[in-house]
Amino acid sequence: AQRVTQPEKLLSVFKGAPVELKCNYSYSGSPELFWYVQYSRQRLQLLLRHISRESIKGFTADLNKGETSFHLKKPFAQEEDSAMYYCALSWGAQKLVFGQGTRLTINP
Amino acid sequence: NAGVTQTPKFQVLKTGQSMTLQCAQDMNHEYMSWYRQDPGMGLRLIHYSVGAGITDQGEVPNGYNVSRSTTEDFPLRLLSAAPSQTSVYFCASSSTVFTEAFFGQGTRLTVV
Repeated sequence: AQRVTQPEKLLSVFKGAPVELKCNYSYSGSPELFWYVQYSRQRLQLLLRHISRESIKGFTADLNKGETSFHLKKPFAQEEDSAMYYCALSWGAQKLVFGQGTRLTINP
Repeated sequence: NAGVTQTPKFQVLKTGQSMTLQCAQDMNHEYMSWYRQDPGMGLRLIHYSVGAGITDQGEVPNGYNVSRSTTEDFPLRLLSAAPSQTSVYFCASSSTVFTEAFFGQGTRLTVV
């Protein structure tokens, strides 16, 4: 069965420090992986997807098929990065499986 | 520039009542889906649709019904509300299978 695991429910770092949000998945096929973000009082929105290989708002994520991971990273955290982050796997017909989410807090 | 619109934003129901959560999108997307968000569990797929007239069950479909008579609308019906259905409900749409999903602002439902 498809599964996405985000081991950290809460993550707190200081402004300017590096950030890494962990995501591991289990899926027998070729995965399509996404990071979605929900800022306070805003709707859930796409941050980045692995096939685009972009850097969005300074965030990057590399798919590691050997470790079945898709960790989200940013070298220097900013206060506006505080939000809820969800890793998600798509396995067809827009069936998204989400991780439990990580609440990131950036301390000034 | 509406995107995905959900109504209502908040709702309180008594156990046993029925209601319909509305979802409409104006992007001509084929794919639409409903999720529920519970603390510590992320979002879980309830039902989804790949086009008008076609719907299927997701991970947690029990107690919910859907229909897709038009491309734009994808209502979610609670047949007989139970306290276990207290949750935040999100509707999403996308143009193709693996592209970005656009989400509504959510409906916070409380069943007492």
